[in-house]
Amino acid sequence: QQPVQSPQAVILREGEDAVINCSSSKALYSVHWYRQKHGEAPVFLMILLKGGEQKGHEKISASFNEKKQQSSLYLTASQLSYSGTYFCGTLLRASQGNLIFGKGTKLSVKP
Amino acid sequence: GAGVSQSPRYKVTKRGQDVALRCDPISGHVSLYWYRQALGQGPEFLTYFNYEAQQDKSGLPNDRFSAERPEGSISTLTIQRTEQRDSAMYRCASSRGLAPDTQYFGPGTRLTVL
Repeated sequence: QQPVQSPQAVILREGEDAVINCSSSKALYSVHWYRQKHGEAPVFLMILLKGGEQKGHEKISASFNEKKQQSSLYLTASQLSYSGTYFCGTLLRASQGNLIFGKGTKLSVKP
Repeated sequence: GAGVSQSPRYKVTKRGQDVALRCDPISGHVSLYWYRQALGQGPEFLTYFNYEAQQDKSGLPNDRFSAERPEGSISTLTIQRTEQRDSAMYRCASSRGLAPDTQYFGPGTRLTVL
């Protein structure tokens, strides 16, 4: 069950904020956020674990609403380097390793 | 230190040929994962290993696809009798701890089946 990401795409001016959402119809154990630039490998940003534990990137924050089974990635004061496609990957159980990724959100930051 | 490496980076083959894609994980990483990524899409899970044991192969599309990690380090994804629909970017990832630890992705192998 692939998670649903929204929006599909967003264009920002440098310094603006953005929120990217990732929703699942199933109860989740964890949500993993990655950023991928064109022609490159996905780069890890953040893990959100069931129960609220959060690990990850110092300049980007995220939340995990267990009631809604939704995670949100917050990008504040965006920089040109934030441009890329953001993917969330979800795990249903602690014993799993098979991340199921959403279709991605393409973020473009303009000067 | 060195990241995940994959070889070859590009592979062009004719339909019906077998191909072997190699993944060298980050040194000391115990878990290794294989994904396939189509253009403009997120990675699609294929299989993963904890040490040398294959834990989940539910994502392998059919029995032409197989993977092994005999010594718990390097892994090989083999596709037999390739078909044009197998063309994609094949990515490997590794994690320091057992799944579901943070996965670090390699540069991928771009497979083109003519």
